[in-house]
Amino acid sequence: DIQLTQSPSFLSASVGDRVTITCRATQDIHSYLAWYQQKPGKAPKLLIYAASTLQSGVPSRFSGSGSGTEFTLTISSLQPEDFATYHCQQLDSFPPTFGGGTKLEI
Amino acid sequence: QVQLQESGPGLVKPSQTLSLTCTVSGDSISSGRFYWSWIRQSAGKGLEWIGRIYTSGSTDYNPSLKSRLTISLDRSKNEFSLKMKSVTAADTAVYYCAGEIGKGYEKYWGQGTLVTVSS
Repeated sequence: DIQLTQSPSFLSASVGDRVTITCRATQDIHSYLAWYQQKPGKAPKLLIYAASTLQSGVPSRFSGSGSGTEFTLTISSLQPEDFATYHCQQLDSFPPTFGGGTKLEI
Repeated sequence: QVQLQESGPGLVKPSQTLSLTCTVSGDSISSGRFYWSWIRQSAGKGLEWIGRIYTSGSTDYNPSLKSRLTISLDRSKNEFSLKMKSVTAADTAVYYCAGEIGKGYEKYWGQGTLVTVSS
């Protein structure tokens, strides 16, 4: 299975900050990567798919980039509702796998 | 708007079979617009993709779980189901059903249901 490593695992930031989360794959996954946001007690929510395509309804302060083995999720100006855990998922190789998550804290 | 809702026992004894159902509203499971999947989340292993079923009824299972899994459709009830046999404490997790698009991106999620395996 392809392993995804997210960094950092924990991130402290403030409202208005620009933050970047990285997801690295153990082999080339082309652009078949998604990012999800999860709040406590809730299901994950799809933010970005195909590495850089913003899901409908997701604020434009979220963006994704990368291809191959290294990907980033950037939040350009943190809002209070953005404090959550973020997960990446690869869909290039079967079975789909997820990263370990990045908890974004105030 | 597609909505999914998991249901099933919250407590299962070791060696028994875990059975969950996902009821879909806002779309027909036969429409072909989505694939229907199961994902679980435990404290120890994070998010783990379990398997999916297509409108045709064909399935993909995570090889690590394949021998214990059955995913099926009930078109008359607009539901799909998960059965996992021979469970152990390691199967304790929050189980989510989801609707996938494209390459398998999980677009719609149920709220999740906690299943605890314990005697």
